[in-house]
Amino acid sequence: DTAVSQTPKYLVTQMGNDKSIKCEQNLGHDTMYWYKQDSKKFLKIMFSYNNKELIINETVPNRFSPKSPDKAHLNLHINSLELGDSAVYFCASSQDKNYGYTFGSGTRLTVV
Amino acid sequence: ELKVEQNPLFLSMQEGKNYTIYCNYSTTSDRLYWYRQDPGKSLESLFVLLSNGAVKQEGRLMASLDTKARLSTLHITAAVHDLSATYFCAVDDYKLSFGAGTTVTVRA
Repeated sequence: DTAVSQTPKYLVTQMGNDKSIKCEQNLGHDTMYWYKQDSKKFLKIMFSYNNKELIINETVPNRFSPKSPDKAHLNLHINSLELGDSAVYFCASSQDKNYGYTFGSGTRLTVV
Repeated sequence: ELKVEQNPLFLSMQEGKNYTIYCNYSTTSDRLYWYRQDPGKSLESLFVLLSNGAVKQEGRLMASLDTKARLSTLHITAAVHDLSATYFCAVDDYKLSFGAGTTVTVRA
């Protein structure tokens, strides 16, 4: 059983398109996150939701819109995709930070 | 804003020798994590360090935390090829902030 699962694993799309990435966790965690890893492997938080409520919203273009229908799911919708959006997007979850964070396998987004 | 600095960024290790990766950070947080990432893979949790003086060991890896110096170290003992990966430290204040990662290559 995968603890934090993301779909799709790979996403290739043209500039200007709108796409979504889905994330589900079966760990019963209250908090979920989206991280972006760029081509230099640098990881930066984008959003965090706690029990469906947005708690962290970093300086991310408003073309990115997270949605959490329930505490087990956190989806990421991206409008009007740009070349610079190409990256690997990781979903993560946590319950008690003393036990750390669990990351999904990542979605490699390529915008052409 | 919290800064997390890792060094070195690249580490070429010889099998059998010992090495250390350093992680300096700019906040007073006492929660620090080490992750491993293989190419094209997810982040695997290695260690969770929660207090000053915390030391944890798993196999050939040992991590420690000095919150007063705002420094964590990841020590590698007798490097083996399987340890080739990118290692990240991350510090938690109200959000998890990562260092730039240390890409480790182990050569025979």
